[in-house]
Amino acid sequence: AQSVTQLGSHVSVSEGALVLLRCNYSSSVPPYLFWYVQYPNQGLQLLLKYTSAATLVKGINGFEAEFKKSETSFHLTKPSAHMSDAAEYFCAVSEGITGFQKLVFGTGTRLLVSP
Amino acid sequence: GAGVSQSPSNKVTEKGKDVELRCDPISGHTALYWYRQSLGQGLEFLIYFQGNSAPDKSGLPSDRFSAERTGGSVSTLTIQRTQQEDSAVYLCASSLAPGPFSYNEQFFGPGTRLTVL
Repeated sequence: AQSVTQLGSHVSVSEGALVLLRCNYSSSVPPYLFWYVQYPNQGLQLLLKYTSAATLVKGINGFEAEFKKSETSFHLTKPSAHMSDAAEYFCAVSEGITGFQKLVFGTGTRLLVSP
Repeated sequence: GAGVSQSPSNKVTEKGKDVELRCDPISGHTALYWYRQSLGQGLEFLIYFQGNSAPDKSGLPSDRFSAERTGGSVSTLTIQRTQQEDSAVYLCASSLAPGPFSYNEQFFGPGTRLTVL
């Protein structure tokens, strides 16, 4: 079965600092990996996805993530945090082979950005 | 164009009552997914529709939960005899038909917040 582990339920950074949100996955088949963001009282918005092409994936709002098979990781980074980045972030995995794209989510990491 | 819409946005009900939650997917999206977001369990998959059929119902937590989709469009999630542990945000997502070795983005609606008193 596929699973995702997000380290740290809360991450606090100062505005302008590096953002690093950690995600490790477990999958017996080649995975598709995703990062979603959720702002208060809103649905989920896709930030970026890895679907077996380039291992360094660039997404919206200056975020990027690197797929590292040897480490089974897909950490999310942004060089300089902005106040508007404060939100909850979810890492997710789905199967790539069968085409059935049920998403399995991590428990989420709340990003806090201080001035 | 319009995104995924869900109604109602909020629902408060008494324990033991039945509730219906509605999802309107993006026009042309044949795949539809229901997820549940709760404090104790995080984000969980409930059910997947391709067209009007549901090839995967594995996430439905009990037989009190059911869902249908008619005309390949609108879907309704029904919870019978609601319990307090059913309190959660129910999210719907839709996408173009998924296929092997390809990916079609799931677009999420804003969710329905269900509170069972």
